[in-house]
Amino acid sequence: DAGVIQSPRHEVTEMGQEVTLRCKPISGHNSLFWYRQTMMRGLELLIYFNNNVPIDDSGMPEDRFSAKMPNASFSTLKIQPSEPRDSAVYFCASSPGTVNSPLHFGNGTRLTVT
Amino acid sequence: KQEVTQIPAALSVPEGENLVLNCSFTDSAIYNLQWFRQDPGKGLTSLLLIQSSQREQTSGRLNASLDKSSGRSTLYIAASQPGDSATYLCAVIGEGVMRGNKLVFGAGTILRVKS
Repeated sequence: DAGVIQSPRHEVTEMGQEVTLRCKPISGHNSLFWYRQTMMRGLELLIYFNNNVPIDDSGMPEDRFSAKMPNASFSTLKIQPSEPRDSAVYFCASSPGTVNSPLHFGNGTRLTVT
Repeated sequence: KQEVTQIPAALSVPEGENLVLNCSFTDSAIYNLQWFRQDPGKGLTSLLLIQSSQREQTSGRLNASLDKSSGRSTLYIAASQPGDSATYLCAVIGEGVMRGNKLVFGAGTILRVKS
């Protein structure tokens, strides 16, 4: 079990550029979550999918953010255009899908927008 | 809106000491409460999950308790070791279909165990 795999680990980009973060959940897990972590706001849920379908995207801060899950083994979080205030660590997590299953987190992508 | 608070924000103890981390939540209608550990530059690792019908869970030197009615949980670490140094976060999932599977996190307690 390789765990949840995120790429890239670090991303530095200029304001206005498009950023795409990638996630491969644990095989067999049918729930996938995107979180953002900052010093000021802590961990915030952006969006989560169940069986590849977005269930709740109320945490997505603006229309500049979008997420897709084209299949059970891959998800992307895209920011277009990026802004300095988007700088944060973005985590992907997966779980087997039942409400009493623990979440498994990836190591995150540290995004810096200059 | 569910809010999760963790006290203290930071804690420094000598090796071998027993310690307690506190977590409180404003809405007692929860499915479960989870404790996580986060090491610098890493993701979160699930330590313990307590279902709403349970009072406590134990794993090795860790014991987590849950008092749902009062909105409180504690994480007890026995005989602390330098390797326990990390940030500890608690999180809850609310009841109800509309709340989905959304974990609400506290800000965490930064623990340092000195050798």
